[in-house]
Amino acid sequence: DTEVTQTPKHLVMGMTNKKSLKCEQHMGHRAMYWYKQKAKKPPELMFVYSYEKLSINESVPSRFSPECPNSSLLNLHLHALQPEDSALYLCASTHWTGGGGELFFGEGSRLTVL
Amino acid sequence: KQEVTQIPAALSVPEGENLVLNCSFTDSAIYNLQWFRQDPGKGLTSLLLIQSSQREQTSGRLNASLDKSSGRSTLYIAASQPGDSATYLCAAFQGGSEKLVFGKGTKLTVNP
Repeated sequence: DTEVTQTPKHLVMGMTNKKSLKCEQHMGHRAMYWYKQKAKKPPELMFVYSYEKLSINESVPSRFSPECPNSSLLNLHLHALQPEDSALYLCASTHWTGGGGELFFGEGSRLTVL
Repeated sequence: KQEVTQIPAALSVPEGENLVLNCSFTDSAIYNLQWFRQDPGKGLTSLLLIQSSQREQTSGRLNASLDKSSGRSTLYIAASQPGDSATYLCAAFQGGSEKLVFGKGTKLTVNP
């Protein structure tokens, strides 16, 4: 099983809303990632968690708040977003922490901010 | 800073043709290089992973090569089919980091 599951698949929210994106994997991977992808652009790294600890934050605005409650689950909490934050949010995981493993991606959560 | 470039940006071929997608990277200190496929509005599907110590990997009609010294990788698709139409992304896993650096992708269209 090489599946990374993301929910919801689609999310529409206003600028004052609070919502969360969820990512789950049961492959025993200890590194999990959040990427943001705008249309016709490559994915951009946002956060990396290794062994449930935040190891990389690519200077992401604080309106995005990641959380890793356990080794299988990764959340992205959203608050006071801007319309320009509308994008496809991708979660990925890999077996190797510290870099170098094969990354497996979920199908993404399509976010629209009104 | 690692930069990954993919050429061409778009490619249109007739069904049955063999084709090559190119990927170059500026820093040869990589753990591995990974090729992905992305269908419109979907996530990324891993196609092939080449570790830095390897020269090539094969999966079905796909063959990927890696030449670290020249900073190049190629993805060879044999006997292309309309179902191969998608955007193909290469990504280099930067050595000494947990960062996967992506190219901008090649949009492939295979015409019946």
